[in-house]
Amino acid sequence: GDSVTQMEGPVTLSEEAFLTINCTYTATGYPSLFWYVQYPGEGLQLLLKATKADDKGSNKGFEATYRKETTSFHLEKGSVQVSDSAVYFCALKWKNSGGSNYKLTFGKGTLLTVNP
Amino acid sequence: DSGVTQTPKHLITATGQRVTLRCSPRSGDLSVYWYQQSLDQGLQFLIQYYNGEERAKGNILERFSAQQFPDLHSELNLSSLELGDSALYFCASRGTSGRSGELFFGEGSRLTVL
Repeated sequence: GDSVTQMEGPVTLSEEAFLTINCTYTATGYPSLFWYVQYPGEGLQLLLKATKADDKGSNKGFEATYRKETTSFHLEKGSVQVSDSAVYFCALKWKNSGGSNYKLTFGKGTLLTVNP
Repeated sequence: DSGVTQTPKHLITATGQRVTLRCSPRSGDLSVYWYQQSLDQGLQFLIQYYNGEERAKGNILERFSAQQFPDLHSELNLSSLELGDSALYFCASRGTSGRSGELFFGEGSRLTVL
């Protein structure tokens, strides 16, 4: 079945450091890929997405590129801030899954802590 | 605010008991998803409903059940509770058009089984 593997955390960085959180997937066909973020005490919210190979999703300074050849969707940010401290989840949706039969499969999450 | 409302936010109960978690999706959203989040298992998909009908099942235990009512709110029933059922339970909804791929999550219901 479909699955997502993301790097184990926790990740601790200093402010303005470069961030990479690795995510690889296993899926039949060509899924859509997502990064969700969960801030302390809140539910998950969509950070960015990419729906086909070579697409780059970006939002709030975060980027991720859909790499079909390496089945990866690594999350990057050039300069993290204390406010980026959160849990980050990589997720996939099978491409033909839509309408009433739509499901996201999530990775286990990576806790990021950014220190001032 | 995602527009998805979950109650209660916190619940403490004993082993063997039964609890009901409630979710109100965003206005107009027909799909409701339930996820369980625990430290060791991560975010696990439990079940999905679409317009009152069950559409997909994930790693949901037989002791757990859910339903979606005509007004589209959903309830997750957890019975014969065990210590290992302690977790954060999220509900999410998804619209039928636009913003393809985005689930909107509630803030979760934290269940503690003592």
